[in-house]
Amino acid sequence: QVTLRESGPALVKPTQTLTLTCTFSGFSLSTSGMSVSWIRQPPGKGLEWLALIDGGDDKQYRRSLRTRLTISKDTSKNQVVLTMTDMDPVDTATYFCARTTASPPNYYYDGMDVWGQGTTVTVSS
Amino acid sequence: DVQMTQSPSSLSASVGDRVTITCRASLGIRSDLSWYQQKSGKAPKRLIYAASTLQSGVPSRFRGSGSGTEFTLTISSLQPEDVATYYCLQHNSYPIFTFGPGTKVDLK
Repeated sequence: QVTLRESGPALVKPTQTLTLTCTFSGFSLSTSGMSVSWIRQPPGKGLEWLALIDGGDDKQYRRSLRTRLTISKDTSKNQVVLTMTDMDPVDTATYFCARTTASPPNYYYDGMDVWGQGTTVTVSS
Repeated sequence: DVQMTQSPSSLSASVGDRVTITCRASLGIRSDLSWYQQKSGKAPKRLIYAASTLQSGVPSRFRGSGSGTEFTLTISSLQPEDVATYYCLQHNSYPIFTFGPGTKVDLK
C-alpha cells in the first residue's frame, strides 16, 4: 500500500523559512518512473503545483517560485523535503505531497496517483 | 507557459443527470492530462489519466476524452457522493504541471 504523509510547522512568521517533510512508504524513488511532487492550496482556492524530484535527483520547480524553493530527498529514509524561503502571509495554504508517476515506454508523466492528507501552514506574525 | 481553463466554474445538477466539464489548454498537450476530484476538506483523488484511462477503483460513470487542446470529463449519472470540485492537470509542457482553476459540482 502506497502512503505519503506531510509534516512540518503549522505556523511560521513572515520572512522565515518553511521546511516540510514528506515521508512515504510502499514505493521507492529509485524505481524508474517514480517522483514526488509538492502541491499547495490556499484557503478556498485552487491547486498549485510547486516542485518535483525524481530518483535520479532531477528537480523541477514552479517558475514563479523558483528562487524560493528547494526540493531534496533522502532515499534511505523515504523522505522528500521542501524548503520555501521568505514566507509571506500569501503563502498560507494546505501543502500536499503526492506520488507522481511516468510510464514506459516514453516515460511521459501520468500525474499524481496517491496523495498525502496535507498539512496546513499559516504565515502570521 | 501553457495555461489551463475549465468551464463551467460551477454547476448544479440533479441526481441521475449527465454532467460534462471541459478543460482547454493554451497549447497542444497530446493526451498528457489527468482529472482529479476533491471533496471538501480532503486531498484530491485521481479519476482519469492519459486523458481517458480510468483510475483503478473509480466508478465507470466517470469518463474522460479529448486530446490536443480540448478535454472533457463526463459523469454519466450524477450521484450524491460526486459532489466535489474537479480539476484537470496538464503534465506535458513546462512548467511541467499546471492545474485548471476547478469546477465545483453540487446537487440541485
